[in-house]
Amino acid sequence: DIQMTQSPASLSASLGETVTIECRASEDIYNGLAWYQQKPGKSPQLLIYNANSLHTGVPSRFSGSGSGTQYSLKINSLQSEDVASYFCQQYYNYPPTFGGGTKLELK
Amino acid sequence: EVQLVESGGGLVQPGRSMKLSCAASGFTFSNYGMAWVRQAPKKGLEWVAYISYDGGSTYYRDPVKGRFTISRDNAKSTLYLQMDSLRSEDTATYYCTTDSGYLLFAYWGQGTLVTVSS
Repeated sequence: DIQMTQSPASLSASLGETVTIECRASEDIYNGLAWYQQKPGKSPQLLIYNANSLHTGVPSRFSGSGSGTQYSLKINSLQSEDVASYFCQQYYNYPPTFGGGTKLELK
Repeated sequence: EVQLVESGGGLVQPGRSMKLSCAASGFTFSNYGMAWVRQAPKKGLEWVAYISYDGGSTYYRDPVKGRFTISRDNAKSTLYLQMDSLRSEDTATYYCTTDSGYLLFAYWGQGTLVTVSS
């Protein structure tokens, strides 16, 4: 199975700040990568797919980039509603696997 | 609006069975593959099982093979997960999800908690 490693595990940032979360795959996943947001007590929601495509209805302050084994999620101008855990997932290879998650809090 | 509503979770003893259901609405259920993804308490996400749009193909993660069965009723727009020989490590919130192709999970239900304990 492809291992997905996220960093950092937790992150504290101020309103209006730009935040970046990293995800590394154990082998090339050819942009078969998604990012999910999970707010406290809620189910995960798809943010980004194909490494850099925004899912329907997702604010443009979210963006994804990367290639090969290294990917990142960037949140511009952090809002209070962005407090959540974020997970990456590879779907290039079977079985699909998730990163361990990054918990984002407000400073 | 896509809606997925899971039901059937609760407390169950190790070795016993439980069946989860997921009622779908807001999209043409019979056109989409579906999946179950679980999350142990305070832990990460783990894909569990997948079923193709017509039920003709199913896939499972190794630890649940032979114990879990995913199925669907397209006439009722409902997805199921039959879980047998449950173990403590199966304790998790189980989410019903749509598959956008290649096991990309576009829409999720609210989840149902399964607790396996004596």
